[in-house]
Order: sequence, then structure tokens, then C-alpha cells
Amino acid sequence: EIQLQESGPGLVKPSQSLSLTCSVTGYTITSGYDWSWIRKFPGNKMEWMGYISYSGSTNYNPSLKSRISITRDTSKNQFFLQLNSVTTEDTATYYCANLNRDSYAHDYWGQGVMVTVSS
Amino acid sequence: DIQMTQSPTSLAASVGESVTITCLASEDIYGSLVWYQQKPGKSPQLLIYGATILEDGIPSRFSGSGSDTQYSLKINSLQPEDFASYYCQNGLSTPLTFGSGTKLEIK
Repeated sequence: EIQLQESGPGLVKPSQSLSLTCSVTGYTITSGYDWSWIRKFPGNKMEWMGYISYSGSTNYNPSLKSRISITRDTSKNQFFLQLNSVTTEDTATYYCANLNRDSYAHDYWGQGVMVTVSS
Repeated sequence: DIQMTQSPTSLAASVGESVTITCLASEDIYGSLVWYQQKPGKSPQLLIYGATILEDGIPSRFSGSGSDTQYSLKINSLQPEDFASYYCQNGLSTPLTFGSGTKLEIK
């Protein structure tokens, strides 16, 4: 079974960069699927941030396009999120998940990591 | 972007009752609608994709319907473990967009 686990700092200062890692087990990220980052804000709004495909191409939410980067390390079977110039409005729980391109459904999710942006 | 309008925001029901949650897309999404369930402190779980297709392992009391811009999730004979939040998601095109969620509470 595919398992995903997010890791990274829980507190980031405004104007700095937020960096998270998603470690995948049970499946090789270059074998298929796209690999998404999704966040849930306080107040429960959910936002898809973007994905990196099994081939390494990326697709970002235009609302974040100037600040976001999703990369990967295939040797470690990990993919990463970097979000630049964060503000308090980026405070959220961040999830990584696989994206099944046939259905555009996220089949498997990490447990989520809460990130607070505060000085 | 495709906007997803979900209703109601919250809903109270009793064990054994049936409930329906609706999701309205801002344009035709051709049946590409996904439903998730999320319990407090847990990550979302896929329930239904393609508007009507039940994910493996999901109880048959959950069902999805709809077409074009209007979609519904119905839960028959509510069980205690069904009291959670539910989200719809546009599965047609990126940027993928979510409904605002429905919190299902015990009456």
C-alpha cells in the first residue's frame, strides 16, 4: 500500500520560505501517478497547490505560480514543496497526496503537517 | 478556475437517517467529481470519483450522483463513524478546486 509522510518545520517566519518533504513508501514515484501538495486553512478551505508528475513535469495553481516550486529526489523517493515569501495567510495544514490522472482523485494522503507563519 | 459551491455548510442528523450533500460546479465538469470524507485530526479519505464510482472499501451506504454542473453525495442509514466533514473536488481540470466542505454532526 502507498504511504506518504510529510515532514518539515512547524513554524516559519513571514517573508521566509516554507519547505516541506513528502516521503513515499510502497510505490516508486517515477512509476506513475502525479504527486500533489494540498493545504487546508483554518476555517477549512482546501486548496490544491500543484503537482509533480511521475516524469518530473510540474503543474502549479496559478494563484501560487510565482511563489511555488515542487521538486523531487528520485533516489530517496521523495518530493518537496517550497513556498517563498510566506505571510500569515499561508498558515495551514499541508498534505501531500498521490493524484490518479484517470480520475483526478487523490487516492492516498499523508497525515498532514501544520505550518504556522508567525514572527 | 472552476468554482465548486457546496451545501449545506453544516448538517445535523441522527444515526439511521439519510442525508444528502450537494455540490454545484461553475461549469460543466462532465461527471468528473470527487468526494472525500475527513475526520478530525485525520487526512481526507477518498469516497467517490467519477461522480458515482465508489472507491474500494467504502460502504455501499455512500452513493454519488449527478451530471453537468450538479452533483450529490447521499449517505443512507447513517452510522456513528459517518459523522465527519465532506468535501467535493473538481476532477476535470487544473487547477483542481474544492468545495467549502460540509460538517455532518450528530443531532
